[in-house]
Amino acid sequence: DVKVTQSSRYLVKRTGEKVFLECVQDMDHENMFWYRQDPGLGLRLIYFSYDVKMKEKGDIPEGYSVSREKKERFSLILESASTNQTSMYLCASSLPYRTTGSDTQYFGPGTRLTVL
Amino acid sequence: AQSVAQPEDQVNVAEGNPLTVKCTYSVSGNPYLFWYVQYPNRGLQFLLKYITGDNLVKGSYGFEAEFNKSQTSFHLKKPSALVSDSALYFCAVRDSYNTNAGKSTFGDGTTLTVKP
Repeated sequence: DVKVTQSSRYLVKRTGEKVFLECVQDMDHENMFWYRQDPGLGLRLIYFSYDVKMKEKGDIPEGYSVSREKKERFSLILESASTNQTSMYLCASSLPYRTTGSDTQYFGPGTRLTVL
Repeated sequence: AQSVAQPEDQVNVAEGNPLTVKCTYSVSGNPYLFWYVQYPNRGLQFLLKYITGDNLVKGSYGFEAEFNKSQTSFHLKKPSALVSDSALYFCAVRDSYNTNAGKSTFGDGTTLTVKP
């Protein structure tokens, strides 16, 4: 089974702090994603990466950056946390469509971040 | 462009009754359609997908979904609901014309509540 792990289930930070959310997958997937989940807004894509050191902006990248130095690890960085970044953050990974004929995503358990 | 809509925020059914969770989509090419489920305090889990072939797709936990091209719909169904099916359900779509590293668009989610 694919396993996607996230470094923390719950995190509390103060406004202005730099925050790192880590995600690790163990199935050699090329694609990795960071979403935030807010009630009534569904899942919104922040950034995704289709290879090591490659990244693309999603729908809501403002205030975030990412790092992918190794294939299995994808980090989300909040350069200066703000209260409106309080949310559930979900990481996912997938094989590319060209490999599997589909791109089913496998999700981690999520990190609930509270910014005070 | 690709988009997906889940017209119902909430669906309530009695245990043992059939359930339907609705999803409609819009794509330029062919749709790749997915259903995911999120149980309380858990990450999203893949339920089923439609890529091509038979319009009726069977997935995990007794769920199935019917692809209807003329109505651009992909409704999730189960003949007999269980209390344990209570969860948040997400529909997702990717346009075959979207070569962007497997980036899917998720709906806002539908909360299913099954009452005993």
